[in-house]
Amino acid sequence: DAGITQSPRYKITETGRQVTLMCHQTWSHSYMFWYRQDLGHGLRLIYYSAAADITDKGEVPDGYVVSRSKTENFPLTLESATRSQTSVYFCASGQGANEQYFGPGTRLTVT
Amino acid sequence: GENVEQHPSTLSVQEGDSAVIKCTYSDSASNYFPWYKQELGKRPQLIIDIRSNVGEKKDQRIAVTLNKTAKHFSLHITETQPEDSAVYFCAASINYGQNFVFGPGTRLSVLP
Repeated sequence: DAGITQSPRYKITETGRQVTLMCHQTWSHSYMFWYRQDLGHGLRLIYYSAAADITDKGEVPDGYVVSRSKTENFPLTLESATRSQTSVYFCASGQGANEQYFGPGTRLTVT
Repeated sequence: GENVEQHPSTLSVQEGDSAVIKCTYSDSASNYFPWYKQELGKRPQLIIDIRSNVGEKKDQRIAVTLNKTAKHFSLHITETQPEDSAVYFCAASINYGQNFVFGPGTRLSVLP
């Protein structure tokens, strides 16, 4: 589990600000994913990446931007945060697309 | 797109009894169905998964069954223990993992 980390673990930001959530994995996994978790919705996929420089949209990509210049990092940016983006964000990685080892999560509050 | 429903949303059982959680999916092209367990304040962890070419899979006290015709799959936990208390999520995906769609979760409480 220590192989995938997220930072910060907790973040409070104001509406309209840009915020970046970091995800780092030490396994050299090909696939990385970003989810948000809200009560009543379970986990919803925001973006995923099959390899460095390859990203694709998931179920709820609007308002988010990702990049993957290095295999081990997959940052998620909220370009202009809104209250509806208050959530717990989980990053995950896996060598194959069906593997999902989750990070510890980041609790984001947008005021 | 894919839609996954999960029932019940909450489930309470006595220690030692069995628990069953059911999920249905909408896209007949889905071919991979994992189950995750999430304890309070922790990350989701994969507990068992099944692929579309298999009807049933078992791992100790946990089993998953898949009915492709009806488009539903179920998680069975036998001889439940207090440490089984958690939220359980099912998911479905096409292409063995890309673009997972999760169910809303089932909160299982195992009463001593």
